[in-house]
Amino acid sequence: DTGVSQDPRHKITKRGQNVTFRCDPISEHNRLYWYRQTLGQGPEFLTYFQNEAQLEKSRLLSDRFSAERPKGSFSTLEIQRTEQGDSAMYLCASSRTDAGNQPQHFGDGTRLSIL
Amino acid sequence: GENVEQHPSTLSVQEGDSAVIKCTYSDSASNYFPWYKQELGKGPQLIIDIRSNVGEKKDQRIAVTLNKTAKHFSLHITETQPEDSAVYFCAAAETSYDKVIFGPGTSLSVIP
Repeated sequence: DTGVSQDPRHKITKRGQNVTFRCDPISEHNRLYWYRQTLGQGPEFLTYFQNEAQLEKSRLLSDRFSAERPKGSFSTLEIQRTEQGDSAMYLCASSRTDAGNQPQHFGDGTRLSIL
Repeated sequence: GENVEQHPSTLSVQEGDSAVIKCTYSDSASNYFPWYKQELGKGPQLIIDIRSNVGEKKDQRIAVTLNKTAKHFSLHITETQPEDSAVYFCAAAETSYDKVIFGPGTSLSVIP
């Protein structure tokens, strides 16, 4: 497989701007996850999809955050009106539920820096 | 909700020595415990995982143990090599495809 792909790898933007990240999961993986990782901490769960359905959202996912997976393949995570506290690494992972106990595979993330 | 604690936060060992990282979790509903290795600028990479119906699992130089009664699990790396230097995260989840709760990480340095 080609692995989980995330784009862009780095994003620098001014406070108040909107940003959108893309994640392409491993093909045939029906679950897709978003996590956020701040410096020196472990990843924190944000949300996940099974196919195109968003099944769970963390309370960390404020109203300014929205995630979609319109065709059950790639996903986008949008942050509106960015704030300094949004600076973090945004990680995407994917797995499958139809082939036994398969682990989550992570991409290399999008690092967001808010000026 | 689930809370995962991890110790130590930093660990320095001589090449060839063993390294041990210990974790605890709080939610008895957790049945899946993966361990991830993260190198600088990269995403977490799964190195080994264990499920609650197993007490120990080994893969070459890496072994994990699980005590479900005490809610403890540990990672053991033997014959450490400089390329083992990275941040290691323990984690817990109900299943491998549920949300994963990560510990705060252990920065391992292997000194040649």
